[in-house]
Amino acid sequence: GQSLEQPSEVTAVEGAIVQINCTYQTSGFYGLSWYQQHDGGAPTFLSYNALDGLEETGRFSSFLSRSDSYGYLLLQELQMKDSASYFCAVRDIGTYKYIFGTGTRLKVLA
Amino acid sequence: DTEVTQTPKHLVMGMTNKKSLKCEQHMGHRAMYWYKQKAKKPPELMFVYSYEKLSINESVPSRFSPECPNSSLLNLHLHALQPEDSALYLCASRQDSATSGNTIYFGEGSWLTVV
Repeated sequence: GQSLEQPSEVTAVEGAIVQINCTYQTSGFYGLSWYQQHDGGAPTFLSYNALDGLEETGRFSSFLSRSDSYGYLLLQELQMKDSASYFCAVRDIGTYKYIFGTGTRLKVLA
Repeated sequence: DTEVTQTPKHLVMGMTNKKSLKCEQHMGHRAMYWYKQKAKKPPELMFVYSYEKLSINESVPSRFSPECPNSSLLNLHLHALQPEDSALYLCASRQDSATSGNTIYFGEGSWLTVV
């Protein structure tokens, strides 16, 4: 089976940098994805790491280390609108299962 | 264009009713998913269709019945639901290719309340 663990909640102030971690146990996966979900909304795709290393997309960056079974999402120059839940996710090799992490609720304070 | 359309956005149904949730995508994606999400929880996989065939059923109760009429449409038929089935139901799709397609795209979801 697969499990992806995230901290349940993170709080930071506007303008700060925050890192949301994802540690996983899986027999094999294609890559690590990150999704953002605002209250009352649907998850939207943020970033994807197929290979180890850092991927940067504007204020958001994502990192993957397969040897450490670990990844993170880095949010810079935090804005109030970044307050949301963030999920890491993987697609299992050999099946079509797309599994989500436990989720992290980010609160950005003024 | 990465659009997945779900209808209805909100549905209230009694425990004896029969209703359906609908999902449509025109991105040529060949894998389609149904997820259930409760408040403050991650999406929970229910069903996966690949090339219009059911490939995964995550031991979902038979009161939920999926259907994939064609490559663009996915339905979820609901019958004799329980109040605990109240949740956000999310449809998603994914391009199925060997070199890409490791990202799924969600619709806005259908909020279901069972009374």
